[in-house]
Amino acid sequence: DARVTQTPRHKVTEMGQEVTMRCQPILGHNTVFWYRQTMMQGLELLAYFRNRAPLDDSGMPKDRFSAEMPDATLATLKIQPSEPRDSAVYFCASGLVFLGAAGNTIYFGEGSWLTVV
Amino acid sequence: SQQGEEDPQALSIQEGENATMNCSYKTSINNLQWYRQNSGRGLVHLILIRSNEREKHSGRLRVTLDTSKKSSSLLITASRAADTASYFCATAGDTGRRALTFGSGTRLQVQP
Repeated sequence: DARVTQTPRHKVTEMGQEVTMRCQPILGHNTVFWYRQTMMQGLELLAYFRNRAPLDDSGMPKDRFSAEMPDATLATLKIQPSEPRDSAVYFCASGLVFLGAAGNTIYFGEGSWLTVV
Repeated sequence: SQQGEEDPQALSIQEGENATMNCSYKTSINNLQWYRQNSGRGLVHLILIRSNEREKHSGRLRVTLDTSKKSSSLLITASRAADTASYFCATAGDTGRRALTFGSGTRLQVQP
């Protein structure tokens, strides 16, 4: 049963600490997304990659957030330094998107629940 | 910013009743999708309707799309307690950013 795997599932950290969230997309998927979900803002797209190349990270605060795909089986989202306002659920999703196509079905992980105190 | 906005924000019905959720969006789209999120879980894809389609069915789900009004509706027939979840519409533009943009969601509570 193919699924997107995210770690950690839950993280509580102190303000100023570095947080790294990891995602293993579904094997064969060429596009990986990072979304953030909060009660106030709902689901926000932070960044996404196609064939490991960043396509759009305009939704991500650049001064403290960074997203990478070191290889096809791993995507990372790093926050340094973390702040209380970063508390949210961070979702990774993956999909198979062909060149020129838009908005294919994507598959979500269970999320990383981050609390910054 | 969110592309889609769902209405109502919350809906409570009795088991066996139908549930209708609406979604409005702002720009031209390639397709519109509906996702479901159980409490504490990730989102799960339910159904996709393309911009040249007006209606689509999948089991107890019926989705309509009116591109002239930039709106869609999701109907769940004969609801069950297990349908309790949040439901989101998601759109992908036909130009520019093509990643899915999600609405604010409708929280559906089905009372047994």
